[in-house]
Amino acid sequence: ELKVEQNPLFLSMQEGKNYTIYCNYSTTSDRLYWYRQDPGKSLESLFVLLSNGAVKQEGRLMASLDTKARLSTLHITAAVHDLSATYFCAVVSNFGNEKLTFGTGTRLTIIP
Amino acid sequence: DTAVSQTPKYLVTQMGNDKSIKCEQNLGHDTMYWYKQDSKKFLKIMFSYNNKELIINETVPNRFSPKSPDKAHLNLHINSLELGDSAVYFCASSRVGTGPLNTEAFFGQGTRLTVV
Repeated sequence: ELKVEQNPLFLSMQEGKNYTIYCNYSTTSDRLYWYRQDPGKSLESLFVLLSNGAVKQEGRLMASLDTKARLSTLHITAAVHDLSATYFCAVVSNFGNEKLTFGTGTRLTIIP
Repeated sequence: DTAVSQTPKYLVTQMGNDKSIKCEQNLGHDTMYWYKQDSKKFLKIMFSYNNKELIINETVPNRFSPKSPDKAHLNLHINSLELGDSAVYFCASSRVGTGPLNTEAFFGQGTRLTVV
């Protein structure tokens, strides 16, 4: 069974700092997604990573995928309060039934 | 227009009741899903339908029964509700259900179910 782990689970950081969220998964996959969820809200798609070495950037967020290491990172540059949310990675295994398996989520709080 | 819409947004009901949650997508997607998010924010897939055909059925009590009248709709009916069913239920849709293509899922706003 595909397992997807994120760390850290909780992250509290000051505005202006940089940090990285890690997403590890347990089986072969070249499709990984990052989502953002604000409290009480739905999930918003941030990045779609479809190949080894893929890198996507949007504003202060940058996501990358290393399929050989089965690792994706979400890097936050010069954090601002608006980035406070829960971030999920999700993976589709290359084997099986196209099921999107979510990581545990990282609750990010940016402190002014 | 909302791409994936669910109703109701909130549902409070007593144990033992039967309830339904409705979902509709106007994205022209072939595949629709139901996910459950528990109090710790863990997201777990429950069901997936592709063109009205059930393709994923996770280990879910048979009190939960999905119904897809057409590929734009996927409803979830829950019989004999239990306290442990309290959670947020998300409907989602994606463009393709099989094959090596993009499976990016778009989510509805969620239905917060509280069983008392």
